[in-house]
Amino acid sequence: ETAVFQTPNYHVTQVGNEVSFNCKQTLGHDTMYWYKQDSKKLLKIMFSYNNKQLIVNETVPRRFSPQSSDKAHLNLRIKSVEPEDSAVYLCASSRGLNERLFFGHGTKLSVL
Amino acid sequence: GQQVQQSPASLVLQEGENAELQCNFSTSLNSMQWFYQRPGGSLVSLFYNPSGTKHSGRLTSTTVIKERRSSLHISSSQTTDSGTYLCALERRSNYNVLYFGSGTKLTVEP
Repeated sequence: ETAVFQTPNYHVTQVGNEVSFNCKQTLGHDTMYWYKQDSKKLLKIMFSYNNKQLIVNETVPRRFSPQSSDKAHLNLRIKSVEPEDSAVYLCASSRGLNERLFFGHGTKLSVL
Repeated sequence: GQQVQQSPASLVLQEGENAELQCNFSTSLNSMQWFYQRPGGSLVSLFYNPSGTKHSGRLTSTTVIKERRSSLHISSSQTTDSGTYLCALERRSNYNVLYFGSGTKLTVEP
């Protein structure tokens, strides 16, 4: 049963455009994450927020910026997309640090 | 280099057979998690297993910290078990970040 909701499911855009992905969790968790899954299916952490505070930023290009209005929401904005940004972006949450993660269905981004 | 090595990369079984998926890691461990990803679908948490053995239905996860390995055993496989199984390591030196293996793609044929 999904309790981490991501929109949109898919997004196709052109190089240089700005895109925004939304993520909301209804589990009452304190920690949220963005992971990127590339074409080889390898998952890598991008950002982690705990109670609206950024705690992890793993060498992500500056055109990526996370936005958290409250601990249930963590959005991801990409200012000027590039072809290598094509991937599936997965949002996740956990009750706290060192807890199991619950993932959303992902947003598949295609940059033409 | 890759901190988490999964094997095999792919596995084909006949329905009813058992499967053993391995995950080896090269750094000190805070926790190990196993996930299942359906084709084109989201990740489902199977186990949060920092050490020892845990059971869930036909699935068993065993993490042996001293040997730096974790395994996922699937008994009496079913066609609905087909998908990709991913292990993820949380390092002791870097809380709250999961390092994923490249996955085992399992196909269970009827």
